[in-house]
Amino acid sequence: AQRVTQPEKLLSVFKGAPVELKCNYSYSGSPELFWYVQYSRQRLQLLLRHISRESIKGFTADLNKGETSFHLKKPFAQEEDSAMYYCALTGLGGNKLVFGAGTILRVKS
Amino acid sequence: NAGVTQTPKFRVLKTGQSMTLLCAQDMNHEYMYWYRQDPGMGLRLIHYSVGEGTTAKGEVPDGYNVSRLKKQNFLLGLESAAPSQTSVYFCASKDLAGYSYEQYFGPGTRLTVT
Repeated sequence: AQRVTQPEKLLSVFKGAPVELKCNYSYSGSPELFWYVQYSRQRLQLLLRHISRESIKGFTADLNKGETSFHLKKPFAQEEDSAMYYCALTGLGGNKLVFGAGTILRVKS
Repeated sequence: NAGVTQTPKFRVLKTGQSMTLLCAQDMNHEYMYWYRQDPGMGLRLIHYSVGEGTTAKGEVPDGYNVSRLKKQNFLLGLESAAPSQTSVYFCASKDLAGYSYEQYFGPGTRLTVT
């Protein structure tokens, strides 16, 4: 069965502190992993995907197949990073996404 | 381009009433999806479509029906609304071309069933 687990409902950090949003998955095969973000009063949008190996807005995420994890990291949090973050996976063909429960990130000044 | 639009933005229904949520996309995408978003549960797929005239069940299809008569539109129907269907509903679309797995989301519809 496909499952995405985000263990933290809320993560609160101070501005300038490092951020790590955890994501673990279960999937029998080679999944594609994504992070989607929803800022206040905005629609859900793609932040980054593991296959691109890119850094977006200072965020990076590495796929660890051994630990079945895809944690989202940023070395120095900014107030504008405050949002809801969803980890998601899709399998072969990419027809459907399975989302985690989401983590609210609050960056305090 | 407007991208993905949803109507209405808000709606309050009484138990047993019916309604239809409309999703429209102007990106010529083949795939369209309906999700519901509930606190602590993330987004769960209700129904989806891989092309005009096709629909398929997702993770939580009970109590909902869908239709994709035109490529650009994907309708979600509630025949007899229940309080458990109080949620925020999101529509999304995705291109078929290449390996583009990105889904583009609408702004959401907040539905309350009393």
